[in-house]
Parts: sequence; structure tokens; C-alpha cells
Amino acid sequence: KNEVEQSPQNLTAQEGEFITINCSYSVGISALHWLQQHPGGGIVSLFMLSSGKKKHGRLIATINIQEKHSSLHITASHPRDSAVYICAVPRTDKLIFGTGTRLQVFP
Amino acid sequence: EAQVTQNPRYLITVTGKKLTVTCSQNMNHEYMSWYRQDPGLGLRQIYYSMNVEVTDKGDVPEGYKVSRKEKRNFPLILESPSPNQTSLYFCASSLAVNQPQHFGDGTRLSIL
Repeated sequence: KNEVEQSPQNLTAQEGEFITINCSYSVGISALHWLQQHPGGGIVSLFMLSSGKKKHGRLIATINIQEKHSSLHITASHPRDSAVYICAVPRTDKLIFGTGTRLQVFP
Repeated sequence: EAQVTQNPRYLITVTGKKLTVTCSQNMNHEYMSWYRQDPGLGLRQIYYSMNVEVTDKGDVPEGYKVSRKEKRNFPLILESPSPNQTSLYFCASSLAVNQPQHFGDGTRLSIL
């Protein structure tokens, strides 16, 4: 079993839908990263959170440390949100990644 | 502008010909790291560095070398590349492993 599991692997949505991507991990962590990788390949950091909830525009990330689970929500999804979303957790000084969720939002 | 710069962006080469992928950051970050990304496997850490002259193996270090002689630079060296090292490579930097990561644009490497 992978230390970081994401679901679903693939997700399609209509523009305007509410999106949820899940990340579960099996190691104790100090923080969790959510990353976005666009079709061109570049990776950007969306959130780094260690407790509770963070919001940036239409993106919301939550984490439950006791349940070892985090969610990334996208409200009012738009075709430009189409990307691969990746969660990652530190394990001592290393970063362990989920395999990503590929999201496609259609107009 | 804060950035992580990788070069080259694309490289096609042959088995056994030594190559270096450079990585430079201008944010005075202590933590730097190299990852490879392969279909179905996601991102995997090759090597990381906590600071100058401090490097350590990630999860897939075989066939790679790194050095950290200066804080801003963290080159990835393939002494004798093989086809199984064909991949998309990313360099990243941050203040620490549990701080936001800044990624370079990636280097697509093909070893024939």
C-alpha cells in the first residue's frame, strides 16, 4: 500500500460543478502539500497546511490530522481548472507524493 | 522575480554519455531537491539537500549524483545514463521540506 493515496485517479466535470479530490496518508506528518500540474507540465504549489482549512479564491483545502486525510475542493469549476492535482507529505526530510488526480472540466 | 531555473528543458542523448542538468534558485532557500516523474508512478524524489555540502538520497537515487557547493545551485549528474532514466525531471527549492515548494519548469530527458 502506498504511503500517500489519492482518489479519484481521474475526474471529469461540467463547468460550474463542485469538485472534491481526496488524499489519505499513512505516516505521521507535520504538513501536507497540494500541488497543481497543468498540461504544459509546470508544477505550482497551491497549499501547504498542517491543520484546519485554507482558502484561496475558489480553492479550499482541509486536513484532518487524526484521520490522516485531506481534501481539495474547487467551487464553481472552470475549464482552466483542468490539471493534475497532487498531494505530498514530508517523511522525515523527504517528500512522498500521491500519484495525482487528473481533472478535466468541460464547458 | 523568484524562480527556480533548470537547464536544459529538453535533451536527447545516448547511453553512457555523461550529462548534467543544472538547477539554480534565487530565493536563498536551504532545501533543494530533484524529482523524476514517470507515467503511473507520479513524482519520486531522487536526491535532496538540506543546505550547502549536505545531500542525501531520496527514494530513487541509483544512477544519479548531486552536489551542493553553493546555496543557489544543485546540479543533477548522470555519469552513465541508461534508457531507464528517460523521464521528466523537476528541481524544486523551499525553506524546508514542510514549507511551500517552488518548482522549476522541468527537463524532459530521453536516453537512447
